[in-house]
Amino acid sequence: DQQVKQNSPSLSVQEGRISILNCDYTNSMFDYFLWYKKYPAEGPTFLISISSIKDKNEDGRFTVFLNKSAKHLSLHIVPSQPGDSAVYFCAASPSYNTNAGKSTFGDGTTLTVKP
Amino acid sequence: ETGVTQTPRHLVMGMTNKKSLKCEQHLGHNAMYWYKQSAKKPLELMFVYSLEERVENNSVPSRFSPECPNSSHLFLHLHTLQPEDSALYLCASSQEGGGGPPYEQYFGPGTRLTVT
Repeated sequence: DQQVKQNSPSLSVQEGRISILNCDYTNSMFDYFLWYKKYPAEGPTFLISISSIKDKNEDGRFTVFLNKSAKHLSLHIVPSQPGDSAVYFCAASPSYNTNAGKSTFGDGTTLTVKP
Repeated sequence: ETGVTQTPRHLVMGMTNKKSLKCEQHLGHNAMYWYKQSAKKPLELMFVYSLEERVENNSVPSRFSPECPNSSHLFLHLHTLQPEDSALYLCASSQEGGGGPPYEQYFGPGTRLTVT
């Protein structure tokens, strides 16, 4: 049973518009969430995170929203730029897991931003 | 070198070969990880070394054997692999403990493994 799901394998948006990437989770023990971005031939790089004590975290063009009751989070990128084209992974972890740092990853969503 | 490095970047091996993947982190972290990424599947955590403690995923076949000689180096020894083991193998590191939430992981570029 996949505990973290990204139901949209791909997303295409026009440059300058908003990109919204979604992630759902099933494990109620998850209370810390991270987004990673991955370019081809590179490893994933950390983008932004959110703790369950918050419902929003913003960093420049990137904002993550968390809806605990729905077990849903989303990453908003605005305005989208062609350089944002990459695979985006959602990851979740119990925050008590500080000594292992194990995160459960989703399948990833491939974002294409068209000029 | 900075960040997390992995060698080799590409590896083709036969099912009877023995090879090793190497990972080195230059970030002073105290935890290191091996992940497997197969096509159209999420990242699968294989092994964790954290604060000198090895946490093993029991579903990993014994033909994969990790080694962590110190906090900066991590190896994945491979022997008698199967074609379905062909995948991208990613190493990551992070700073764990300290009483706070889990920190983000820093990933290497991966080793693309093909088993023939």
